[in-house]
Amino acid sequence: KAGVTQTPRYLIKTRGQQVTLSCSPISGHRSVSWYQQTPGQGLQFLFEYFSETQRNKGNFPGRFSGRQFSNSRSEMNVSTLELGDSALYLCASRRSEGRSTDTQYFGPGTRLTVL
Amino acid sequence: GEDVEQSLFLSVREGDSSVINCTYTDSSSTYLYWYKQEPGAGLQLLTYIFSNMDMKQDQRLTVLLNKKDKHLSLRIADTQTGDSAIYFCAPGQGAQKLVFGQGTRLTINP
Repeated sequence: KAGVTQTPRYLIKTRGQQVTLSCSPISGHRSVSWYQQTPGQGLQFLFEYFSETQRNKGNFPGRFSGRQFSNSRSEMNVSTLELGDSALYLCASRRSEGRSTDTQYFGPGTRLTVL
Repeated sequence: GEDVEQSLFLSVREGDSSVINCTYTDSSSTYLYWYKQEPGAGLQLLTYIFSNMDMKQDQRLTVLLNKKDKHLSLRIADTQTGDSAIYFCAPGQGAQKLVFGQGTRLTINP
């Protein structure tokens, strides 16, 4: 079974631009979560989507948004990019059939550099 | 909110055991995960333990949980060069919203 895939793997943008990252979950997984990883702040939870609805949200500004499509694929958008948004953005999927306990599987991440 | 602490670095000799420690603050954590991250890669789930267990063994990996002290450890027996990576503990009330420690960078010396 294919794992979680993320595109693109690398991205370079300039301040003020916006960016969209994509995540395809493992087949059959309905929940997709997004995390930001930086050297200073470590791994931080952004949000989780399930059945096209945001189910959980971390403590990030409104510039960070996401959505999920009917096929469970998810996109994350960051508007008005700042230098501090440079990070590895990780997507994770899980089956989530009414249980909060099933495991999250992570993709390889998208490395975003903001110049 | 949950606070998770890990040592940043650990260096061991090849063939020795590695013990990576983690402390957390949320006593309601029901599932405690260990993830491994190799350079340039995402996170790979290694193992997890339920909060009603004290120990879980999975091949070379042993997880110990002291719920009273909110202390979790991961022991890797017979450490190999392929074990070089950053290890994250992530306690949580299930897998919905994991809270990660800063990660422990494990270096293997020949």
